[in-house]
Amino acid sequence: QKEVEQNSGPLSVPEGAIASLNCTYSDRGSQSFFWYRQYSGKSPELIMSIYSNGDKEDGRFTAQLNKASQYVSLLIRDSQPSDSATYLCAVIGSGGGADGLTFGKGTHLIIQP
Amino acid sequence: DTAVSQTPKYLVTQMGNDKSIKCEQNLGHDTMYWYKQDSKKFLKIMFSYNNKELIINETVPNRFSPKSPDKAHLNLHINSLELGDSAVYFCASSQEGLAGTEQFFGPGTRLTVL
Repeated sequence: QKEVEQNSGPLSVPEGAIASLNCTYSDRGSQSFFWYRQYSGKSPELIMSIYSNGDKEDGRFTAQLNKASQYVSLLIRDSQPSDSATYLCAVIGSGGGADGLTFGKGTHLIIQP
Repeated sequence: DTAVSQTPKYLVTQMGNDKSIKCEQNLGHDTMYWYKQDSKKFLKIMFSYNNKELIINETVPNRFSPKSPDKAHLNLHINSLELGDSAVYFCASSQEGLAGTEQFFGPGTRLTVL
């Protein structure tokens, strides 16, 4: 059974600070890793993808992957109130993309003005 | 110029009815998916279709049947609706081998079964 674990939160961070979101996964053969942002009543929006160990930066967002520890994280620098949302960690397992994404239950992030 | 679209946005119906949700993507992707997000916001894969072939079916009741008339469309038919089918259903699409397998989601269909 493939599983993706996230702390459900809420995670409260002051505006301008760094928000750190974490995720672990059970399928050691997992290939691809994604972070989606979901506002209430809206669809998941892809914000970061990462496929190899290390860091990947895109604007204020940095994704980090450690396959040995089966751990993925997302850092949001200079947090803004508009970053308040649920962040979903998603993984494509050893079966490949056609198996679809396995999602965590999401971390609710609140940025305090 | 919407990438992945779904209709209807809201669907309210009685138990026992049969309903369909339509999905279209204009991204030229070769794989489409249906996901269910339950009342606890947990998002789970239901089906994926690649070149008109069903790839997976994640323990979904056979009352649910995906239908793909062409590569750009994947519709979801639900027979004999039950209270537990109430959820938000999302369609998504991806292209294998193009920037990995990033999936892009439609706006969702909120199904309420009374």
